[in-house]
Amino acid sequence: DGGITQSPKYLFRKEGQNVTLSCEQNLNHDAMYWYRQDPGQGLRLIYYSQIVNDFQKGDIAEGYSVSREKKESFPLTVTSAQKNPTAFYLCASHIRGTGTEAFFGQGTRLTVV
Amino acid sequence: AQSVTQLDSQVPVFEEAPVELRCNYSSSVSVYLFWYVQYPNQGLQLLLKYLSGSTLVKGINGFEAEFNKSQTSFHLRKPSVHISDTAEYFCAVSEDSGYSTLTFGKGTMLLVSP
Repeated sequence: DGGITQSPKYLFRKEGQNVTLSCEQNLNHDAMYWYRQDPGQGLRLIYYSQIVNDFQKGDIAEGYSVSREKKESFPLTVTSAQKNPTAFYLCASHIRGTGTEAFFGQGTRLTVV
Repeated sequence: AQSVTQLDSQVPVFEEAPVELRCNYSSSVSVYLFWYVQYPNQGLQLLLKYLSGSTLVKGINGFEAEFNKSQTSFHLRKPSVHISDTAEYFCAVSEDSGYSTLTFGKGTMLLVSP
């Protein structure tokens, strides 16, 4: 079945450590996105990529980094520079262009202690 | 730039009652509008979308929404809710302008009680 897979579902890290969240899709979508979700704040865009080897910062990119070396994969690294990394992270993808809905992964809940 | 306002953070309702979740948007160009549902600790699932044509859009699970351009609104409705509709609902907008990203509202938590 086609879809988006995020792993792991739950992740615990010590403060000051970098951590990488995985996002893989087999939908043949060009565009991929990372959102951060905090209670009462909706979804905020971290980074997005419309094509392989290219990506743009979203509204809250500070403290995060991404790569897009393959069409299927868009990993997100939460660096030690991110002040409040504990959150629910959602990856999404869609066909490039306007008017197309996004498909979401099941999310990764990151807890930094 | 586009923006979305969901006017209610929480909507409590009794089972079998009707419900309306409100969404207003702001944009300087034509838009596409979406409603998503999120169950606890899961990703988002598309309920319905408005791209063009009829302003009344029907989606899954008995939900519908009406696009009102003059009021820049896209309210979500269901005539009779079930306990299983308890979830968070997000309105989202995408501009008809190049490769626009999706902008989400802050969400409305629908709480259905017996």
